[in-house]
Amino acid sequence: RKEVEQDPGPFNVPEGATVAFNCTYSNSASQSFFWYRQDCRKEPKLLMSVYSSGNEDGRFTAQLNRASQYISLLIRDSKLSDSATYLCVVNRHSNYQLIWGAGTKLIIKP
Amino acid sequence: EPEVTQTPSHQVTQMGQEVILRCVPISNHLYFYWYRQILGQKVEFLVSFYNNEISEKSEIFDDQFSVERPDGSNFTLKIRSTKLEDSAMYFCASRVPAGQGTNTEAFFGQGTRLTVV
Repeated sequence: RKEVEQDPGPFNVPEGATVAFNCTYSNSASQSFFWYRQDCRKEPKLLMSVYSSGNEDGRFTAQLNRASQYISLLIRDSKLSDSATYLCVVNRHSNYQLIWGAGTKLIIKP
Repeated sequence: EPEVTQTPSHQVTQMGQEVILRCVPISNHLYFYWYRQILGQKVEFLVSFYNNEISEKSEIFDDQFSVERPDGSNFTLKIRSTKLEDSAMYFCASRVPAGQGTNTEAFFGQGTRLTVV
């Protein structure tokens, strides 16, 4: 089993819709969690950190469920510019390594 | 805003040649990483570097690869004898500002596209 797993997609979603991604992690000692966004042929960029209490940044909401060991990302009122690959990243606290999911590809259609 | 810089942005090399990819991490960061991404595939971890030594490396990071931090600012990835399958985007990243905890995100450079012909 991979340490961090994501549905690769692609998710084809009409503009304006709400879309949600989940990511599961296997190491219960993981301490911190992040969502990154990667556009085609560009570097990954931090979208948001994921806090235990959940956090929101505009149209984006991230949540952490430690009991079930998953994190989620919700995008409301999706825009064409949201089309990208969304990468789930988990900080393995034991050696401070960042463990990357394979990414979920999102395509927003007009 | 501080950023990670990588040079060159694109390098074409002949199979069997040595290449050196250069990175300047954010100056007060303590952890440095190299990743690669073959076109259309996922980001793959190569190596992490802390306190002037490799802290972890993946199976991909074999004897053909080496890293150095020669002068306290640059962080380089050397591939000794390039193969066609080394063609990929190589990303450098840094994280963990000195004096802060380790639960911090990574900042990426814009990548070097390596093409081996």
